[in-house]
Amino acid sequence: AQSVTQLGSHVSVSEGALVLLRCNYSSSVPPYLFWYVQYPNQGLQLLLKYTSAATLVKGINGFEAEFKKSETSFHLTKPSAHMSDAAEYFCAVGGEGNTGKLIFGQGTTLQVKP
Amino acid sequence: KAGVTQTPRYLIKTRGQQVTLSCSPISGHRSVSWYQQTPGQGLQFLFEYFSETQRNKGNFPGRFSGRQFSNSRSEMNVSTLELGDSALYLCASSARAGPTGELFFGEGSRLTVL
Repeated sequence: AQSVTQLGSHVSVSEGALVLLRCNYSSSVPPYLFWYVQYPNQGLQLLLKYTSAATLVKGINGFEAEFKKSETSFHLTKPSAHMSDAAEYFCAVGGEGNTGKLIFGQGTTLQVKP
Repeated sequence: KAGVTQTPRYLIKTRGQQVTLSCSPISGHRSVSWYQQTPGQGLQFLFEYFSETQRNKGNFPGRFSGRQFSNSRSEMNVSTLELGDSALYLCASSARAGPTGELFFGEGSRLTVL
């Protein structure tokens, strides 16, 4: 079975500060890992994904994440937060049974203060 | 290129009624997945379809059903609605089945059960 834990349901940073959103996963098969962002009243948009290639994955809007198998982590970072980054972020794991089913974490709301 | 279109966007039903939600995937996408999003349970997988075949089903009661048509459009149905079915129902399409396909989400259908 697969599972995802996002540490911290709310994270607040100042504009220009480092963004770090934490995600730990559990998987009995080689995982596929994803970060999605959701703005109010909208669907989810893919930020980046890890599919067993490079462990450091670069995504859209300046975000990146590093797959660390030994720590079963896939933390999302951005060097400098922008006001437009305020949203809810979801980490997800997939790959079990070779289906497209994703298991999502509970989400982290990112607040960016001016 | 048009995105994933979900209809209706908002609807209100009463307990015991049934509801049908529709999803039109991105042109050329043959894989459609459905997710339920609630504040308490987060994002939970409902179904995955590819070329009119259900590839996977989440842990939901039989009141929840779905199907996919030959043009890849998909519908999901919930019968005998309960208060707990109030949620945002998200549809996502992908160009291919399995875990490597990028999911493109629609804006969702927000169901309120009174």
